[in-house]
Amino acid sequence: EAQVTQNPRYLITVTGKKLTVTCSQNMNHEYMSWYRQDPGLGLRQIYYSMNVEVTDKGDVPEGYKVSRKEKRNFPLILESPSPNQTSLYFCASKGESLAGNEQFFGPGTRLTVL
Amino acid sequence: SQQGEEDPQALSIQEGENATMNCSYKTSINNLQWYRQNSGRGLVHLILIRSNEREKHSGRLRVTLDTSKKSSSLLITASRAADTASYFCATINTNAGKSTFGDGTTLTVKP
Repeated sequence: EAQVTQNPRYLITVTGKKLTVTCSQNMNHEYMSWYRQDPGLGLRQIYYSMNVEVTDKGDVPEGYKVSRKEKRNFPLILESPSPNQTSLYFCASKGESLAGNEQFFGPGTRLTVL
Repeated sequence: SQQGEEDPQALSIQEGENATMNCSYKTSINNLQWYRQNSGRGLVHLILIRSNEREKHSGRLRVTLDTSKKSSSLLITASRAADTASYFCATINTNAGKSTFGDGTTLTVKP
């Protein structure tokens, strides 16, 4: 089944404790992206990757890192999480044609930073 | 503010009525997409309209795109209680991979 998976789905952590949220897709998509969603708001893009070893900042990259060492995986790293990073995080992927393809979303990771 | 902005922010209608949501954007685009999100869950793609298209239909959904006004609308006809959700428009910048979502319209369809 074509899908985007994220792990963990729920995470409660404390300020400053490094964490990684994994994202994996099995559709051989070039494009992958991370978003955060806060209550009452739409998704804001954190980072995106057009292909392996190519990453770029979205609108809200501060406090986050990503890597794209292989096509299927795009982990999101919070080196020193803070309470303002408490949010719902979504990973998405998309096929090579920017013009015509929809984004496929993972189920989301609900992160709470105490 | 975000590039994609929907209005209204919230819409409440009776089952059977039509629901119209609007989206405006600021930069040039390849396509515009509409997504649906049930409370706290992942987004589900509804429909994509390319920049050279003006109107597209999919079942009870009708999307229009006016690139001169940088706006799009999503019409859901004969709404059902199960259509209750938040609806978002999204764009990907023509020259880069930056993707922008609006803040969404929360639709409530009362049985």
